[in-house]
Amino acid sequence: GAGVSQSPSNKVTEKGKDVELRCDPISGHTALYWYRQRLGQGLEFLIYFQGNSAPDKSGLPSDRFSAERTGESVSTLTIQRTQQEDSAVYLCASTLSGRTYNEQFFGPGTRLTVL
Amino acid sequence: AQSVSQHNHHVILSEAASLELGCNYSYGGTVNLFWYVQYPGQHLQLLLKYFSGDPLVKGIKGFEAEFIKSKFSFNLRKPSVQWSDTAEYFCAVTTSGGSYIPTFGRGTSLIVHP
Repeated sequence: GAGVSQSPSNKVTEKGKDVELRCDPISGHTALYWYRQRLGQGLEFLIYFQGNSAPDKSGLPSDRFSAERTGESVSTLTIQRTQQEDSAVYLCASTLSGRTYNEQFFGPGTRLTVL
Repeated sequence: AQSVSQHNHHVILSEAASLELGCNYSYGGTVNLFWYVQYPGQHLQLLLKYFSGDPLVKGIKGFEAEFIKSKFSFNLRKPSVQWSDTAEYFCAVTTSGGSYIPTFGRGTSLIVHP
């Protein structure tokens, strides 16, 4: 596919369970971002990967959140011991390189609902 | 850290009306500015961007935005909206030579009545 893909598209889980969200960036894009979007809010930055550099984790809201990326390909965002306030749409975006003027290409998002 | 303000959270217009969505940022240095749009059921996608040159930039579907440095603004405009412009619009900023992480505004929901 030509675009950024994310899976699952929807995830309903019970409070306290762990969830794993997946992002497949556009091939050749070295930079990858995860965002959280709560209803009626803007995009909240979570984590940024650029090539093989150490990720920028400054946006992760707690130690229950973690993410990994293998090289310049797939990334997974893991939320442990989910809480109701984790309910949101989680968006992934990739860019051609880590240039500040590059546009971001977004995936469709994963809608997470924590009961 | 920079911030982005979108003052209009909800805008309702009739077709053929003119549109202007406000975007202000707080950062004194060189910036790159973006407008993204999310149509119902679709991904966020780039509408237009500014990073240098002519401060009046044109994007897809007849949209344009003007960078006014003295006002720290990057307002989005369209002279005549269509029903198909119904969407969520997000302004974003990155700083040249700074963090690669964009700051997004809260978004503006635009509804255009036919």
